[in-house]
Amino acid sequence: DQQVKQNSPSLSVQEGRISILNCDYTNSMFDYFLWYKKYPAEGPTFLISISSIKDKNEDGRFTVFLNKSAKHLSLHIVPSQPGDSAVYFCASEGGGGADGLTFGKGTHLIIQP
Amino acid sequence: ETGVTQSPTHLIKTRGQQVTLRCSSQSGHNTVSWYQQALGQGPQFIFQYYREEENGRGNFPPRFSGLQFPNYSSELNVNALELDDSALYLCASSLEVRGRIDEQFFGPGTRLTVL
Repeated sequence: DQQVKQNSPSLSVQEGRISILNCDYTNSMFDYFLWYKKYPAEGPTFLISISSIKDKNEDGRFTVFLNKSAKHLSLHIVPSQPGDSAVYFCASEGGGGADGLTFGKGTHLIIQP
Repeated sequence: ETGVTQSPTHLIKTRGQQVTLRCSSQSGHNTVSWYQQALGQGPQFIFQYYREEENGRGNFPPRFSGLQFPNYSSELNVNALELDDSALYLCASSLEVRGRIDEQFFGPGTRLTVL
């Protein structure tokens, strides 16, 4: 039973345009959400997070939106750059931290020149 | 400040054997978590250690065990290896703040192949 779902295995976006990566979750106990980026042969790298008390968090080119009623979050990257090509994982935490992070399967973002 | 390191990078074992994977946490971090990432899947939480004690565990059998040392380095041990244990094993260190884990910093992983 997948509690965090990323339904798009891959996404291709032209350089300079907006990339939108989506994530859905089922567990209403999740109250903290994170996005990680992973290059081949490297571990995931933290990108941006959002607490359930907020509906938006921005950090430079990256913005995460949270819609709690729909149990949906999205990561917007604008403008998209070639270095953004990577696998992006959505992850959730249920509070306290001792249950670890629950990850989605990831979306492979490809930025085309 | 050094990042999270893991050893070995790759490992090949046969079914039934035992394996030990190692992780060196980022300086100053007191919490380490281990994840298993099968091909085409996201990382799955195995367990977490805080100040040398296990304080959280995912849905993994007891043959997956761990240790955290006073210098906050840690080990993941897997006994009686099965073919399905073939995966990338990721270690992540973090600083637990007020009960919530701050950003987890991941190592590059150990690729385990079980034949």
